[in-house]
Amino acid sequence: GAVVSQHPSRVICKSGTSVKIECRSLDFQATTMFWYRQFPKQSLMLMATSNEGSKATYEQGVEKDKFLINHASLTLSTLTVTSAHPEDSSFYICSARDLIEGSYNEQFFGPGTRLTVL
Amino acid sequence: GQQLNQSPQSMFIQEGEDVSMNCTSSSIFNTWLWYKQDPGEGPVLLIALYKAGELTSNGRLTAQFGITRKDSFLNISASIPSDVGIYFCAGQKDAGNMLTFGGGTRLMVKP
Repeated sequence: GAVVSQHPSRVICKSGTSVKIECRSLDFQATTMFWYRQFPKQSLMLMATSNEGSKATYEQGVEKDKFLINHASLTLSTLTVTSAHPEDSSFYICSARDLIEGSYNEQFFGPGTRLTVL
Repeated sequence: GQQLNQSPQSMFIQEGEDVSMNCTSSSIFNTWLWYKQDPGEGPVLLIALYKAGELTSNGRLTAQFGITRKDSFLNISASIPSDVGIYFCAGQKDAGNMLTFGGGTRLMVKP
């Protein structure tokens, strides 16, 4: 199956700093990437959907100025958590999908990035 | 955001036992998916269901797409220790659209 990578896998930062998380599709072109957040013992909650070359669509309650998403190429999307605070500590997971007309397009998930804000 | 109702929340079973978990929704989904997530990892797709009433197997796993399109179940037969993890159902209204996840079922298997 297709492979999606995330970098870094873990990051610890001080409150007030910004953190960038990368999501890459390694062997396919991802026209759409999704960013999820998962708190401990909870489910995945969609934060935003990004289509290559256009602005991301954010879910209700997700601050677009705080969680900056860039999807500048077909294999890379980045999520930047700006001015991070302890409540932003979470497991961030991306998924990527190619869009082929007439067929089901599976979302392939990355391994996740554990963010801890001190 | 919307979540699917997934039950049970957790299960602690003996190795060799069968397991059943299900998801229900108040709205219709056109695709149902079942994922497994190991600690510190992203979800991995186990089974995808595309038609109401469809019954699909993947090894010891069997899943069904409810006839009303508002529910799905996953069965695991003859559980083994490596089945331990969190299982999530997910619904999708249209191909290419966002996934809505259930709350997860944490499975623990005692050898």
